[in-house]
Amino acid sequence: QVQLQESGPGLVKPSETLSLTCTVSGHSISSGYSWGWIRQPPGKGLEWIGNIYHGGSTYYNPSLMSRVTISLDTSKNQFSLKLSSVTAADTAVYYCARHKSGSLYDALNIWGQGTMVTVSS
Amino acid sequence: DIVMTQSPDSLAVSLGERATINCKSSQTVLYTSNNKNYLAWYQQKPGQSPKLLIDWASTRESGVPDRFSGSGSGTDFTLTISSLQAEDVAVYYCQQYYSTPLTFGGGTMVEIK
Repeated sequence: QVQLQESGPGLVKPSETLSLTCTVSGHSISSGYSWGWIRQPPGKGLEWIGNIYHGGSTYYNPSLMSRVTISLDTSKNQFSLKLSSVTAADTAVYYCARHKSGSLYDALNIWGQGTMVTVSS
Repeated sequence: DIVMTQSPDSLAVSLGERATINCKSSQTVLYTSNNKNYLAWYQQKPGQSPKLLIDWASTRESGVPDRFSGSGSGTDFTLTISSLQAEDVAVYYCQQYYSTPLTFGGGTMVEIK
């Protein structure tokens, strides 16, 4: 059974870098699938942040592209999100998720429980 | 970007009655080479992460009750709950995965009348 778990600081100061990790269990991330980050501001809808393939190729939302980096750590079976120069608008629940197949162009069928990140001084 | 517009924003339905949620995309999500609509529906209960209900516009995920069904093609899609149960109270989102950036509808909150 594949499970995803987000971790990272719950509070980040404005202008600093938000860093989150998604730990995957039950599947080796280097062996396949596409892995993504999605966020949800309090009381609002879902926003796709970006994806990384098992081979390391990345795709980012153009609205965030200048500030986002997604990377893999196959030794730890994790993938990570870094979002720089954060503002209060980046306050959200951040989810990691896996696509059903090896393609980004497929539905997201496994989600982490989400982690709340607040941007505040 | 493909804009996904859901309607209504919320609806209240009596137990056992039908709930219908609409989703419209700003451009087609039907890939003609394989005749597949790149459209998914998710259910999000309070305090929980989204759960995939339906992909390819009409294919129910394993374990999803058959009272949930998806229909539509091209730019217009519908999620129907044929007989609303108490456990179906949630926000429902459509999502296109035809092109990047992947985009979601604004959500429809379903409540019990």
